Amino acid sequence: LAKTTQPISMDSYEGQEVNITCSHNNIATNDYITWYQQFPSQGPRFIIQGYKTKVTNEVASLFIPADRKSSTLSLPRVSLSDTAVYYCLVGTGDNQGGKLIFGQGTELSVKP
Amino acid sequence: KAGVTQTPRYLIKTRGQQVTLSCSPISGHRSVSWYQQTPGQGLQFLFEYFSETQRNKGNFPGRFSGRQFSNSRSEMNVSTLELGDSALYLCASSLTGHNEQFFGPGTRLTVL
Repeated sequence: LAKTTQPISMDSYEGQEVNITCSHNNIATNDYITWYQQFPSQGPRFIIQGYKTKVTNEVASLFIPADRKSSTLSLPRVSLSDTAVYYCLVGTGDNQGGKLIFGQGTELSVKP
Repeated sequence: KAGVTQTPRYLIKTRGQQVTLSCSPISGHRSVSWYQQTPGQGLQFLFEYFSETQRNKGNFPGRFSGRQFSNSRSEMNVSTLELGDSALYLCASSLTGHNEQFFGPGTRLTVL
């Protein structure tokens, strides 16, 4: 599975847009990019998944450039409750089944 | 639909003992994966079960084992506990393992 690199931590203020970038230089052709969110003492929660260009759902957007060597998770107008660790994962479910490889994640702190 | 449930939520054991953790997946989900989370190593994949068969395995010693029953419920066992086994153990279920994984709240194991 492709290794990912993300910032260890980020700070933001309520109401701002937060962009977290993930590098995955060795991404394979059939790899998808997935982001999970984790609050303290809870299991991770799926946020969004994409393959290329842009994906948007009710909580976030995922931007993937043409070369797919990086991706950016965008959280619009964050609130205090968005304080959490965000994980970027790259891989294919086709030959890995239920195996997720988590990196160190980005600890996002949202301040009032 | 009920989420993934894990029992017990908290457990205290002493070195040398063994422990069994239980996970009930979301109804209809056939894949169950187990993860260990520690402050030092982060989230690490232990193993995945699908249709009562271990399909994927992480890099953990043989003291860590698991099984899955015909109703998809899963258990993991850790024998000869060591201090370093203290961690949050997370279980995740998905339809086939090739989809979004839904995590349970975890079992907090403390080894004294």
